[in-house]
Amino acid sequence: SAVISQKPSRDICQRGTSLTIQCQVDSQVTMMFWYRQQPGQSLTLIATANQGSEATYESGFVIDKFPISRPNLTFSTLTVSNMSPEDSSIYLCSVETNYGYTFGSGTRLTVV
Amino acid sequence: ELKVEQNPLFLSMQEGKNYTIYCNYSTTSDRLYWYRQDPGKSLESLFVLLSNGAVKQEGRLMASLDTKARLSTLHITAAVHDLSATYFCAVSGMDSNYQLIWGAGTKLIIKP
Repeated sequence: SAVISQKPSRDICQRGTSLTIQCQVDSQVTMMFWYRQQPGQSLTLIATANQGSEATYESGFVIDKFPISRPNLTFSTLTVSNMSPEDSSIYLCSVETNYGYTFGSGTRLTVV
Repeated sequence: ELKVEQNPLFLSMQEGKNYTIYCNYSTTSDRLYWYRQDPGKSLESLFVLLSNGAVKQEGRLMASLDTKARLSTLHITAAVHDLSATYFCAVSGMDSNYQLIWGAGTKLIIKP
């Protein structure tokens, strides 16, 4: 099963600023998924990132707010732009393996 | 549209007792997943169920799948405090373009 290293694990950010979250996978994967989990809630898919093409965003999420990079088959970044307190959440990356979906350790973002 | 309903959403129980968490989904699916999440942590894969009648067990947890009833259960036997966590089921299939559709989660508290 794949191992994902996600950074940072947590951050406290000022409103109006941006934060970039990184995920590094120890094997090559075609698709990487970015989720948001608000406190006490389930997971919501933000976008799916394929290497070599633009990410596919779910309803309610736009590229200007959540730009994603996928420069190779083992790495992806998600940027949360122009942050507001409503963006305070846990952000998780995920990949699909033969054993199911593996998740990064998560980034706990607090916007003040 | 593929929807997933999980119940109960909250469960408080005594150590040593047995209980079951239910996961209903609305249309056909290919795979059903169970995950565990500890507070402030990422998601840990517990089980992947692929076919009707599938049953998997790990320690005090047993998961089963009835595709005809569109129902999966996660049974906890002789609960211990260490099993306190939030448990999520998720489903993927053609109706969701093979994206994971998540249940709301069951917060399980096991009292010593």
